[in-house]
Amino acid sequence: EPEVTQTPSHQVTQMGQEVILRCVPISNHLYFYWYRQILGQKVEFLVSFYNNEISEKSEIFDDQFSVERPDGSNFTLKIRSTKLEDSAMYFCASSGDQPQHFGDGTRLSIL
Amino acid sequence: DAKTTQPTSMDCAEGRAANLPCNHSTISGNEYVYWYRQIHSQGPQYIIHGLKNNETNEMASLIITEDRKSSTLILPHATLRDTAVYYCIVRVAGDSSYKLIFGSGTRLLVRP
Repeated sequence: EPEVTQTPSHQVTQMGQEVILRCVPISNHLYFYWYRQILGQKVEFLVSFYNNEISEKSEIFDDQFSVERPDGSNFTLKIRSTKLEDSAMYFCASSGDQPQHFGDGTRLSIL
Repeated sequence: DAKTTQPTSMDCAEGRAANLPCNHSTISGNEYVYWYRQIHSQGPQYIIHGLKNNETNEMASLIITEDRKSSTLILPHATLRDTAVYYCIVRVAGDSSYKLIFGSGTRLLVRP
């Protein structure tokens, strides 16, 4: 069964550094999403992306965040200058007509 | 989006049916009911969704009341691997880019 894959599984970064989280969505899906989950808290929506542009973004998704689909297969989330509070699991998801399917996430640890 | 209410936690014995309730009394006519689960810290896993008819797939059954104000997810023969947090989410139909809003879910513990 096709699945969403995310790399790396764990990323450790110094505060203030840039980080790029990578996702390969399911191949025939057209809608792409990023969510995050701070340890012990709810899964929170960050951004949705369709037709090479952002469809919707949450208040969390400020100017430090950006998304890109650079080559037709990858979907990336960039955090420009990481803060301690960016430490979380980051989940990528993709969808066709209906249900969103999630990857297993990248654990981002900011030191 | 309509809000959902779920019990914080439930448990059931291995091999028995697990029935997880969800209230969504403010659901609109164009909103689907989705169920996802999250095993430990893995990504949310899609289980099933429905609009007004009952649905069944290889993982579970979804029973939606006639007034659509509540639903029940049924895992017919729960196994230890079904221990997870289960999320009931309502989402507008017809807009494939629409975000999912996760609540706190129900923590299901399957006992040996």
